[in-house]
Amino acid sequence: DIQMTQSPSSLSASVGDRVIITCRASQSISRHLNWYQQKPGKAPKLLIYAASGLQSGVPSRFSGSGSGTDFTLTISSLQPEDFATYYCQQSYITPRTFGQGTKVEIK
Amino acid sequence: QVQLVESGGGLVKPGESLRLSCAASGFTFSDYYMSWIRQAPGEGLEWLSYMSATSSYTDYADSVKGRFTISRDNAKNSLYLQMNSLRAEDTAVYYCVRVFNGARGESFDYWGQGILVTVSS
Repeated sequence: DIQMTQSPSSLSASVGDRVIITCRASQSISRHLNWYQQKPGKAPKLLIYAASGLQSGVPSRFSGSGSGTDFTLTISSLQPEDFATYYCQQSYITPRTFGQGTKVEIK
Repeated sequence: QVQLVESGGGLVKPGESLRLSCAASGFTFSDYYMSWIRQAPGEGLEWLSYMSATSSYTDYADSVKGRFTISRDNAKNSLYLQMNSLRAEDTAVYYCVRVFNGARGESFDYWGQGILVTVSS
């Protein structure tokens, strides 16, 4: 199975900060990498597909980059509604696997 | 709008069975792969199973292979997960998820609200 490792596991940031979350795959997955946002008690929501594609309706302050084994999710200016847990997920081979999550908290 | 509504969860004892259902609306159900994903309390996300649009292809995570069975009824716009020989470690919120498959690759683009399954004696 492909292991997905996110860093950091949690972070504290202020409104307006630039936030970067990284995701590393245990083997090359090309650009088959998606990012999801999950708020407490809610289902995950797709933010970024294919490493850098912005899902319809997602604010442009979210962006993704990377290929191969190393990927990043960037929030250019953190907003109050962005405090949540973020997961990366590979869609290269089955079993599809997720990172352990990065919790973004208010500083 | 796309809606996925799970039902059938609850409290069961170890070794018992449960069948989850997912009612889909707002899109052409028979055009899409569907999946089940779960999340244990306080934990991350675990993909469990796929089914192709025509039911011709299925796949399972090793953790549930041989115990869980995915199925669908396109005439009823419904997805199912039959869960047998349940264990305490199967306790989780179970999500019904639409799979987007296209030139841009694959992603889980719509999720149900989730249904809690608790396995405890």
